[in-house]
Amino acid sequence: DAGITQSPRHKVTETGTPVTLRCHQTENHRYMYWYRQDPGHGLRLIHYSYGVKDTDKGEVSDGYSVSRSKTEDFLLTLESATSSQTSVYFCAIKSPVALRGRGGTEAFFGQGTRLTVV
Amino acid sequence: DQQVKQNSPSLSVQEGRISILNCDYTNSMFDYFLWYKKYPAEGPTFLISISSIKDKNEDGRFTVFLNKSAKHLSLHIVPSQPGDSAVYFCAASDTGAGSYQLTFGKGTKLSVIP
Repeated sequence: DAGITQSPRHKVTETGTPVTLRCHQTENHRYMYWYRQDPGHGLRLIHYSYGVKDTDKGEVSDGYSVSRSKTEDFLLTLESATSSQTSVYFCAIKSPVALRGRGGTEAFFGQGTRLTVV
Repeated sequence: DQQVKQNSPSLSVQEGRISILNCDYTNSMFDYFLWYKKYPAEGPTFLISISSIKDKNEDGRFTVFLNKSAKHLSLHIVPSQPGDSAVYFCAASDTGAGSYQLTFGKGTKLSVIP
């Protein structure tokens, strides 16, 4: 299994407070992603990173920022949490190099962080 | 504008029978397709993939079929087992885009009845 750790696993926070979620990998993969999963929406990309200090927006990036100062860590920050950001957040990692002859574009996911904004 | 569509939110199948999960896509730039399986309170796990240069890929009980002209793919599970009960996500990627990001469908919840 890919070495991906998300922290915290659960968090309850109040509206208007900043929140930071952490994704840590031990695989030295170049690409890292943050997704959110909501009922009726599947998994939607928030932000991604293609290297240290190289990040870009995804489909649902409003209200979120990210930082990647080290290869192994990718942080997702909710600047001022809102109830609409209550969700399960997943981090994923990917190597651009073909793995096990499969073509190389499968991403490996962490266990998720359940965030509740009250 | 949903680029990857899984039109069946749920599917129930008897143990031992075939499960067929369907997925449609609209973006003609997608050239790599994947299926992920997700159990409650866990992250999605990679199941099987297929490149656009193929029309079929098989891995044990799992087979993915790709019909590029119809922009349609399907996942066949034979025989279905109770442990296969999970949410299945179809995902697609434009490998030429450089970001390798995956675009997911909304998922299909498969229930395999013993």
